[in-house]
Amino acid sequence: GAGVSQSPSNKVTEKGKDVELRCDPISGHTALYWYRQRLGQGLEFLIYFQGNSAPDKSGLPSDRFSAERTGESVSTLTIQRTQQEDSAVYLCASSPPNRVQNTEAFFGQGTRLTVV
Amino acid sequence: KNEVEQSPQNLTAQEGEFITINCSYSVGISALHWLQQHPGGGIVSLFMLSSGKKKHGRLIATINIQEKHSSLHITASHPRDSAVYICAVIGEYGNKLVFGAGTILRVKS
Repeated sequence: GAGVSQSPSNKVTEKGKDVELRCDPISGHTALYWYRQRLGQGLEFLIYFQGNSAPDKSGLPSDRFSAERTGESVSTLTIQRTQQEDSAVYLCASSPPNRVQNTEAFFGQGTRLTVV
Repeated sequence: KNEVEQSPQNLTAQEGEFITINCSYSVGISALHWLQQHPGGGIVSLFMLSSGKKKHGRLIATINIQEKHSSLHITASHPRDSAVYICAVIGEYGNKLVFGAGTILRVKS
């Protein structure tokens, strides 16, 4: 597709269940980011993938959160044993490999997660 | 203190007014983004700057690297400009975006 695609767009889950969120970056983009935005709050960095380098996981809030990326394509963010405070919009962004030219980041529409 | 500070947090303007949103940062950066987020919508990148000034339609973005400051201007504002405007920086040695808290803009007709 032409842009960053995220699925599902909305997810309601019961507290304690595991959820998996998916991000399809723009083809050829080596960098992929996950962010989240809780209601009424700013954007919060979660994890960053760059090519085959070890991911920057410094933003993951707990060990219930994990993310994987297959090569330079799709990424999945998994939240285990969801809690109500996990309710947020989870945003994915990708950017092309040429960092020297200060490339832009392109955002998906997000997955709105509601834990009830 | 946050690495990226935006002001004002909230801004209400009348249609047609000239609007300025400010962003200050405390770290060395390689680039700065201005992003727009509409209610319930995704995020759109408006500008990416590493120096000087960029213009797109009624939007103008400037950056002063020495002062670690950027501004986003909207000329002849319109109600459809109502959104959250977010400043984000990329550090000198990494690609991770660090976001400001955003400025909520409401333009009344």
